[in-house]
Amino acid sequence: SQKIEQNSEALNIQEGKTATLTCNYTNYSPAYLQWYRQDPGRGPVFLLLIRENEKEKRKERLKVTFDTTLKQSLFHITASQPADSATYLCALPNSGGYQKVTFGTGTKLQVIP
Amino acid sequence: GAGVSQSPSNKVTEKGKDVELRCDPISGHTALYWYRQSLGQGLEFLIYFQGNSAPDKSGLPSDRFSAERTGGSVSTLTIQRTQQEDSAVYLCASSLQGAASYNEQFFGPGTRLTVL
Repeated sequence: SQKIEQNSEALNIQEGKTATLTCNYTNYSPAYLQWYRQDPGRGPVFLLLIRENEKEKRKERLKVTFDTTLKQSLFHITASQPADSATYLCALPNSGGYQKVTFGTGTKLQVIP
Repeated sequence: GAGVSQSPSNKVTEKGKDVELRCDPISGHTALYWYRQSLGQGLEFLIYFQGNSAPDKSGLPSDRFSAERTGGSVSTLTIQRTQQEDSAVYLCASSLQGAASYNEQFFGPGTRLTVL
């Protein structure tokens, strides 16, 4: 079955630097990949979607890459701010029908002023 | 417009009692999902409704869990004979269509369930 891996260790980064989060997957080829942000006590909020035929997608200070050969997506936040501190989840559609998605366990980002 | 709402926001119950959790999706969204998130853990898929199709119940952890969606809108997740391991945040999400259409999911704030 498909497996999604995100770095379970928290990522601490200095304000103004670029944060890079990783999402690796195995055992299948998803048609797309999504990234969500989750703040404590709240539900996840959708940030970006990237399709399998797209190498890169940008939105303001966010950039997502999708390498279907490496089976990996990278999520970058440039000029990071303390308000970017949150847990970031990647999500992939399930194989065989794509009627639901599976979420990674998320990586907690802490931006230090 | 209004987002996904869930009620109650918090529920404390005694072991063995039944609980009902409610989700009001965004109007017009045909897909509705229930997830469970334990402290510090990822999202665990429970059940998925898409339009009038039979729900995908493959994530329900036991037969004590059930869910229904009335009129293609409001959904209720019922947990019978609650156990302490059921304690978690239960999240509901809706999307315009199912995941096959690339649609983003909109999440509610969740219901925090504590079983004593």
